[in-house]
Amino acid sequence: NAGVTQTPKFQVLKTGQSMTLQCAQDMNHNSMYWYRQDPGMGLRLIYYSASEGTTDKGEVPNGYNVSRLNKREFSLRLESAAPSQTSVYFCASSAGAGYLGSDTQYFGPGTRLTVL
Amino acid sequence: AQSVAQPEDQVNVAEGNPLTVKCTYSVSGNPYLFWYVQYPNRGLQFLLKYITGDNLVKGSYGFEAEFNKSQTSFHLKKPSALVSDSALYFCAVWENTGFQKLVFGTGTRLLVSP
Repeated sequence: NAGVTQTPKFQVLKTGQSMTLQCAQDMNHNSMYWYRQDPGMGLRLIYYSASEGTTDKGEVPNGYNVSRLNKREFSLRLESAAPSQTSVYFCASSAGAGYLGSDTQYFGPGTRLTVL
Repeated sequence: AQSVAQPEDQVNVAEGNPLTVKCTYSVSGNPYLFWYVQYPNRGLQFLLKYITGDNLVKGSYGFEAEFNKSQTSFHLKKPSALVSDSALYFCAVWENTGFQKLVFGTGTRLLVSP
């Protein structure tokens, strides 16, 4: 049981390049999330998927797109990377279907992205 | 409005001593509160949560937290610190107004010295 896995672990992009961050969970969870972590700002929600087949914007969605490929996988795409998107990106999942405050979110190891 | 605050950037404690990492919150109604720990170059690991019920919540690795409604606090505690407890600790609260979301504090670095 690997929990939440993310690829790649590290990535360096040039401004304007695109890339997709991959996330998968093997806990049969219904909800999945993408966060970014910046120094002194805690974690901020980019997008979430409250169930298979649905996606919704979080508090900082600009410059990103997501795809809930199936119940296990939730990818985050940067279409045209900008230096402001330099950050550590975390994927998370939780058991409940629907966006539930009482649900525990379980996090992946993160992707450290640098945009030059 | 800030929903959760961790007033200390860093807490230093000697191994074997009790530790406290502070968290205060400001949401309306009954809060859902969480503690996570982050080790270097790792993701966040869930420690414990308070949803309802007993104000003293026990979690992983010997940690516990006390929910205090009158002081709007949810401090993380451990009776005897280990060097391996050194990490970054995040408090989080479910923001239940406006755009509902899990709001994280800025983190407190715990350093346990031998």
